[in-house]
Amino acid sequence: AQSVSQHNHHVILSEAASLELGCNYSYGGTVNLFWYVQYPGQHLQLLLKYFSGDPLVKGIKGFEAEFIKSKFSFNLRKPSVQWSDTAEYFCAVNTGYSTLTFGKGTMLLVSP
Amino acid sequence: SQTIHQWPATLVQPVGSPLSLECTVEGTSNPNLYWYRQAAGRGLQLLFYSVGIGQISSEVPQNLSASRPQDRQFILSSKKLLLSDSGFYLCAWSGSLGLAGGYEQFFGPGTRLTVL
Repeated sequence: AQSVSQHNHHVILSEAASLELGCNYSYGGTVNLFWYVQYPGQHLQLLLKYFSGDPLVKGIKGFEAEFIKSKFSFNLRKPSVQWSDTAEYFCAVNTGYSTLTFGKGTMLLVSP
Repeated sequence: SQTIHQWPATLVQPVGSPLSLECTVEGTSNPNLYWYRQAAGRGLQLLFYSVGIGQISSEVPQNLSASRPQDRQFILSSKKLLLSDSGFYLCAWSGSLGLAGGYEQFFGPGTRLTVL
């Protein structure tokens, strides 16, 4: 069965710092990859997704992620974080069936 | 536009009592439906999913069950709650072609269940 590993459980940054959240998955076949975000008190929502094509995917609010197949990775990046980016971030993998496997999440705290 | 509803928003139940959480989706037909449990520091665990009325797949054997009596209704139940059933339960839906068809999952607001 596939698994998803998120390297950091908690990340604390100052505003304007750059962000990179690691995500690795274990599955040798074709994958669809997702990053979801949960802002305090809000629904879990999609940040970006990769199905095929350009491995550098751009999402909402200035986020991007790069799919590196050889490294089984799908790291999330943002060049300059804002206080409003404080949230929990989840990486997820789909391997062709109708289900997602989620990582354990990374809690990001951005201090103003 | 599509919307997803869950109720109740919060629930406090004694050990051994029954449970029924409801999820409904509006604005789409024949969705795939999902129940997840979210625990702090443990991510989202898929509990059940359904690709059609009466079709339920269980991902984790446990004290819970799910049913889909109508196309856009998904119910999570238990006959006797355990302390370990406490958590945050999320319902989600995706298009009928599922993730392989290029559809994402959309999540509801969740139900916070506390079993005492």
